[in-house]
Amino acid sequence: DTEVTQTPKHLVMGMTNKKSLKCEQHMGHRAMYWYKQKAKKPPELMFVYSYEKLSINESVPSRFSPECPNSSLLNLHLHALQPEDSALYLCASSQDWPFYNEQFFGPGTRLTVL
Amino acid sequence: GENVEQHPSTLSVQEGDSAVIKCTYSDSASNYFPWYKQELGKGPQLIIDIRSNVGEKKDQRIAVTLNKTAKHFSLHITETQPEDSAVYFCAAILNYGGSQGNLIFGKGTKLSVKP
Repeated sequence: DTEVTQTPKHLVMGMTNKKSLKCEQHMGHRAMYWYKQKAKKPPELMFVYSYEKLSINESVPSRFSPECPNSSLLNLHLHALQPEDSALYLCASSQDWPFYNEQFFGPGTRLTVL
Repeated sequence: GENVEQHPSTLSVQEGDSAVIKCTYSDSASNYFPWYKQELGKGPQLIIDIRSNVGEKKDQRIAVTLNKTAKHFSLHITETQPEDSAVYFCAAILNYGGSQGNLIFGKGTKLSVKP
C-alpha cells in the first residue's frame, strides 16, 4: 500500500486563525516531507523529517510550524498566515532520507487564507 | 546547486500518438530521476523512475531514457489515451552535498490528449 493520507482536503482560514494540517502513512517510512505548491508551479520543499527529527527547514517563515509526533504522523501547524500562503500543501514520505529516494505524495490540502 | 529544465511546457497530441517530454539537469552527480504525473486536484503520483546506472527503463506504455553524458532524460508515452492528460514533472536528486536527498523539480509539462 503506497498511500499517504492528508486531512482536511480543503481549508479556509482567516489571517488570525490557528489551524493544523495532518498527514499519515502506514508504509513504515522513516522520512516525511511538507511541500507547498502554487498553481501551475512544481512543489517546493518546506520541511524534511527523518526518524522524527527535523532535518531540513527550507527557510520557511515561523508562521508554519511542523511537528512529527511519531514515525507515521506529520502535522503542520498554521498561525497568522497571509493571503499569499494560499496554496496546495502536499505531504510525502520515503523509506529513508537522504538515501532512499522514492517519494510518495498525498492528495494535498487546498488552503485558502482570507 | 542542481537545476532541472523541462520542455515543452505544454504538449497536445491525438489519442494513439506518442508523447515525449525532455529534461536536462546541471549537476553530473545527480543519480536518481523520477517522473511524476499530477492530475487536476490531486497530488503528484510517481509513475516511473531511473537511476544513473541504467540507460532505459520501460513500464507498459511508459519509458524513460537517460543520457548521462549529455545530462538529459526523457519520458516517452506511447499509444496515448485521454486519461494520460495531466501535468508531468521530472525531477532529479543529488545524494550528497547540501541538497542531498531533495527532489529538484522541472517546471512541468501540461499534456493534453485529444480523443
